[in-house]
Amino acid sequence: EVQLVESGGALVRPGESLRLSCAVSGFTFSSYSINWVRQAPEKGLEWVSYISSSSSTIHYANSVKGRFTISRDNDKNSLYLQMNSLTPDDTAIYYCTTMDYWGHGTLVSVSS
Amino acid sequence: EIVMTQTPLSLSVTPGHPASMSCKSSQSLLNKDGKTSLYWYLQKPGQPPQLLMYEVSTRFSGVSDRFSGSGSGTDFTLKISRVQAEDVGVYYCMQSLQFITFGGGTKVEI
Repeated sequence: EVQLVESGGALVRPGESLRLSCAVSGFTFSSYSINWVRQAPEKGLEWVSYISSSSSTIHYANSVKGRFTISRDNDKNSLYLQMNSLTPDDTAIYYCTTMDYWGHGTLVSVSS
Repeated sequence: EIVMTQTPLSLSVTPGHPASMSCKSSQSLLNKDGKTSLYWYLQKPGQPPQLLMYEVSTRFSGVSDRFSGSGSGTDFTLKISRVQAEDVGVYYCMQSLQFITFGGGTKVEI
């Protein structure tokens, strides 16, 4: 069974940092590209970042470019998102997804 | 950026009756391999999105054949032949030709 389990979400102050993780099982993680997608409260879906299977290609949405860093560890079947200089606009549920399969998400709240 | 526009914003449906929703992209989603990078997702209340259709009209594993996708270029349609109570939620179209962008969603309620 394919499973993606996000963790690391928390309530933080504006300007602070947070690192999200996504643990993957049930498929050959090292063979697949993977993304972070977020959903602000009562809003639609927003793609955040993409990383190819070997980490050779990485893309970011303009809204997070320069502040967020995506990475992966294929030996640990894990995906990460380092988020710096957080603002209230970053408040959302963050999902890791292959676009076929999605985790249940982890909530990031940014508030003073 | 490719902009995805979904209509209607909301849809009130009757169980057993058909439903249809539209998605338009700001440019053609036909890729260099001759495939069209258009996906449909359903997000049920309190759940993550689930993939329904990929490449316009191919149902994902386990998806009911009551769902069908059609269209080409910039205009796409998702149809539900006979709506069931379990189909309520927000339907999103998504393109992956240039990065990823989602439509604003169509909320289906009974």
